[in-house]
Amino acid sequence: QITLKESGPTLVKPTQTLTLTCTFSGFSLSTSGVGVGWIRQPPGKALEWLALIYWDDDKRYSPSLKSRLTITKDTSKNQVVLTMTNMDPVDTATYYCAHRNWGGNWFDPWGQGTLVTVSS
Amino acid sequence: DIQMTQSPSSLSASVGDRVTITCRASQGISNYLAWYQQKPGKVPKLLIYAASTLQSGVPSRFSGSGSGTDFTLTISSLQPEDVATYYCQKYNSAPITFGQGTRLEIK
Repeated sequence: QITLKESGPTLVKPTQTLTLTCTFSGFSLSTSGVGVGWIRQPPGKALEWLALIYWDDDKRYSPSLKSRLTITKDTSKNQVVLTMTNMDPVDTATYYCAHRNWGGNWFDPWGQGTLVTVSS
Repeated sequence: DIQMTQSPSSLSASVGDRVTITCRASQGISNYLAWYQQKPGKVPKLLIYAASTLQSGVPSRFSGSGSGTDFTLTISSLQPEDVATYYCQKYNSAPITFGQGTRLEIK
């Protein structure tokens, strides 16, 4: 059974850097075809893809946020870390990590999500 | 970047109705399309990938079709537990893009 869980601060101040960790089980990020993505959802709004890291350490970012995002993996710890710099109140959202199947860039399953509020 | 546009943004239907949600890509994406269901306060759940392949465990009343730029998600007989927001997602190449969502309610 594949599970993922996000962890990190629930409140950050504007201009600070957000660091979120996705800890997963049930798969290995060293297995060919596997990946982990990050998606966020502002309250009452739609899903927005942020970043994706593959088993071979290839990385993809949302073009609109690329300058602010870094995604890394620690295969030995079964973790993926997303950092987002220069946080702003508009970045307030629930942040999800999700498993990318070998067959394509769809996400299943998703973690429970973590709500991050940006406020001074 | 390819944009994904869903229609309608919201709809209300009766139990037992056939419901169709449309997703249109601004450029062709072959069949690289997924559909998700997000119930109120819950995590998104994968329903369909490759435009028409039903994810394991998803009820057979859900189906997907389309290729290129036009796609549909159909619920053959709406059930009360289908109240949710539905999102399409294109995944042929980065950037990955979601539609804006379709909120489905029971009339």
